[in-house]
Amino acid sequence: KAGVTQTPRYLIKTRGQQVTLSCSPISGHRSVSWYQQTPGQGLQFLFEYFSETQRNKGNFPGRFSGRQFSNSRSEMNVSTLELGDSALYLCASSSLGLAGAAGEQYFGPGTRLTVT
Amino acid sequence: AQTVTQSQPEMSVQEAETVTLSCTYDTSESDYYLFWYKQPPSRQMILVIRQEAYKQQNATENRFSVNFQKAAKSFSLKISDSQLGDAAMYFCAYRSADGANSKLTFGKGITLSVRP
Repeated sequence: KAGVTQTPRYLIKTRGQQVTLSCSPISGHRSVSWYQQTPGQGLQFLFEYFSETQRNKGNFPGRFSGRQFSNSRSEMNVSTLELGDSALYLCASSSLGLAGAAGEQYFGPGTRLTVT
Repeated sequence: AQTVTQSQPEMSVQEAETVTLSCTYDTSESDYYLFWYKQPPSRQMILVIRQEAYKQQNATENRFSVNFQKAAKSFSLKISDSQLGDAAMYFCAYRSADGANSKLTFGKGITLSVRP
């Protein structure tokens, strides 16, 4: 099976712009979660989507949003970018919800976002 | 809220030797999962091992094993016969057993270096 893919891998944006990141989960997985990784804050949970519905949300401002499509692919959007949004954004695909599945999360390679 | 603590920021081990990475967590839940993830310089998060809280037997995956002490809320990772490829950042993570929640709570991570 193909793993989790994320596009783009690298992105440079200017303050005030918006950005959209994409994640394609492992085939058959319906749960997609997003995490932000920074040197100062570590790995922080952004949100989780399951069958096109946001099921859980972390403690991030409303500038961070996401959605999931019927094929389970997910996008996250950050509007009005700030310097502090520079981070590695990781997407994780989970088998949670599938019969007999343990629900481990498998991560994509991440998108490195730099805001200047 | 659950918390995960990795108090050692860095550790070093001689190739072929054994090293133990520590992790403690705090939760009021009785059923949950614990994980160790490895993040090499490529930044790809790789699942190393998983432990279900309801299982008393410690999980083992080849050279990797855990010491799970539920009462003490401790979850350490032992790497035997350390290899140069084991050099990476290691994260301990917690997930509720609630089937509607994929959220992982991570520790700050520990950087493991392997000396040839």
